[in-house]
Amino acid sequence: GAVVSQHPSRVICKSGTSVKIECRSLDFQATTMFWYRQFPKQSLMLMATSNEGSKATYEQGVEKDKFLINHASLTLSTLTVTSAHPEDSSFYICSAESQGAGTKNIQYFGAGTRLSVL
Amino acid sequence: GDSVTQMEGPVTLSEEAFLTINCTYTATGYPSLFWYVQYPGEGLQLLLKATKADDKGSNKGFEATYRKETTSFHLEKGSVQVSDSAVYFCALGGSSGYALNFGKGTSLLVTP
Repeated sequence: GAVVSQHPSRVICKSGTSVKIECRSLDFQATTMFWYRQFPKQSLMLMATSNEGSKATYEQGVEKDKFLINHASLTLSTLTVTSAHPEDSSFYICSAESQGAGTKNIQYFGAGTRLSVL
Repeated sequence: GDSVTQMEGPVTLSEEAFLTINCTYTATGYPSLFWYVQYPGEGLQLLLKATKADDKGSNKGFEATYRKETTSFHLEKGSVQVSDSAVYFCALGGSSGYALNFGKGTSLLVTP
């Protein structure tokens, strides 16, 4: 089945530093990828929709200058948390939308990245 | 707007018990419906899906039927195992370029 790789799985950083999270679709091309944030024991909150070759669309309340998204190819989207602070500590999950036969519009998820900002 | 409502958890069952997790939705149009499962510390895995009314999705012993008349997509399994312990999310969507709309998730704990 379709596989989405998310890296790193866990990162600990100091306050004020930037962290980059990668999301790759390994065996399919994804024109659209999504970035979610999940708080403990809660559902997923959509942060932004990432489209290959164009600017990401951010949800209301998500700071685009803080959460930089780059979707430079059909298999890679990156989320950079700039000048991270403790309140940015969370579980970040990406998904990639398949356009393959039989899996059209199915979203496949990465394993998530646990970010801890000290 | 579109929304998904799931039964509140946590749900605790003994091994081999019957499982039902309720999910209802409101939507304009005819969305696809999904169940995703999240094991501790991991991302979401697609469990099953249904793309139109009366479709039944099934996988690993789990089933759900897309009921337009009751706007429901309840998840069922006849005999749960300890390894089924996870959080289950009902979601609707499936339109190209649009994110899924998730329910709040239902935590399931299966005890030996």
